[in-house]
Amino acid sequence: DTGVSQNPRHKITKRGQNVTFRCDPISEHNRLYWYRQTLGQGPEFLTYFQNEAQLEKSRLLSDRFSAERPKGSFSTLEIQRTEQGDSAMYLCASSQTGANEKLFFGSGTQLSVL
Amino acid sequence: EDQVTQSPEALRLQEGESSSLNCSYTVSGLRGLFWYRQDPGKGPEFLFTLYSAGEEKEKERLKATLTKKESFLHITAPKPEDSATYLCAVQAGSTDKLIFGTGTRLQVFP
Repeated sequence: DTGVSQNPRHKITKRGQNVTFRCDPISEHNRLYWYRQTLGQGPEFLTYFQNEAQLEKSRLLSDRFSAERPKGSFSTLEIQRTEQGDSAMYLCASSQTGANEKLFFGSGTQLSVL
Repeated sequence: EDQVTQSPEALRLQEGESSSLNCSYTVSGLRGLFWYRQDPGKGPEFLFTLYSAGEEKEKERLKATLTKKESFLHITAPKPEDSATYLCAVQAGSTDKLIFGTGTRLQVFP
């Protein structure tokens, strides 16, 4: 068990560019969550998947954000036309149905939009 | 709207000085309350889940308790390696997402 893996660890981009992050969950976990965290704040829910189905998406999530989980394995989170306010740590977590409250988090992708 | 509030925002303790962190919540249909530890530059690490008022769980120097309105994380005789941000989260209603508080940043000095 190698844990939840996120790539890249750091991403610096210019305003208006598109970025994509990848998350590889723990292999036997069927649920995958995306959270966003800014300095001094707790993680904020973005969306989650059970297998390949996206079950919930935050009402606060801009339509510039899209997430996929093809084949129920890894997931990608894309942000189009980035804004400075998108600068944050993007965290991925996975869990197994039935124990879905015990989320295992990755180390996150730190996004800086200049 | 479901809400989680943690206090204090920051806490400085001398090694061996016991204290408590507070997490108060306002939710509809609490299904579980969770404590996580987060070290700088890392993702949160699971500590405890509590499901009903009166429940308690312990792990090493940490003990979590739950009432109908709040939870406490008691730290007994802390060590410098206990320094971290402690996050509280709730799961409520029909959704499986966790709603996090802003955390308590704990520093333990030798």
